[in-house]
Amino acid sequence: DIVMTQSPLSLPVTPGEPASISCRSSQSLLYSNGNNYLDWYLQKPGQSPQLLIYLGSNRASGVPDRFSGSGSGTDFTLTISRVEAEDVGVFYCRQALQTPYTFGQGTKLDIK
Amino acid sequence: VQLVQSGAEVKKPGESLQISCEGSAYSFISYWIAWVRQTPGKGLEWMGIIYPGDSHTTYSPSFQGQVTISADKSISTAYLQWSSLKASDTGMYYCVRRGLGDAFDVWGQGTDVTVSS
Repeated sequence: DIVMTQSPLSLPVTPGEPASISCRSSQSLLYSNGNNYLDWYLQKPGQSPQLLIYLGSNRASGVPDRFSGSGSGTDFTLTISRVEAEDVGVFYCRQALQTPYTFGQGTKLDIK
Repeated sequence: VQLVQSGAEVKKPGESLQISCEGSAYSFISYWIAWVRQTPGKGLEWMGIIYPGDSHTTYSPSFQGQVTISADKSISTAYLQWSSLKASDTGMYYCVRRGLGDAFDVWGQGTDVTVSS
């Protein structure tokens, strides 16, 4: 199985400041078609996870442009350009390259 | 576009259970539906996936033989079934649609399953 490792696991942020989360995979997520099969999700308190980023860097429909994804191969980053109070929750990365699909352990973002 | 899951369940060890997930406002037979378990100890775990168009199913090795995933395309509904529940099956279960880029783009609201004697 592909192991997904996120850091940090806890991320206190001041509103208006940037934030970034790292996700590393135990093997490359770059497929022969040039796409990186890596997604990012946010689970707000009391809600189901929601898709933020797919194929490493594509924002899902309706996702604010303050969220961006980057990286390739085994190293990926989710960046929030200016954190807002509504961004509180747990962020997860997931590899979509092969089954069994696997998730990172989650990064909890809260407001300072 | 939404996935609506059946309600919370409280069961005893050894009992059977089936939970459901109904898709609406999209072509149900054209997208894979996966099941994901969430527990405090193990986080998010992918259990398996089904293509409602032909019921082709793939399971995670961790869940193979422990659950059964099925779908009834005539009523746009997917199912997750246990024949004999264990306490370790306690958790929140989500159905999700696999969409563009194989991402999980639509999530159900979750079904909370508690197994306790």
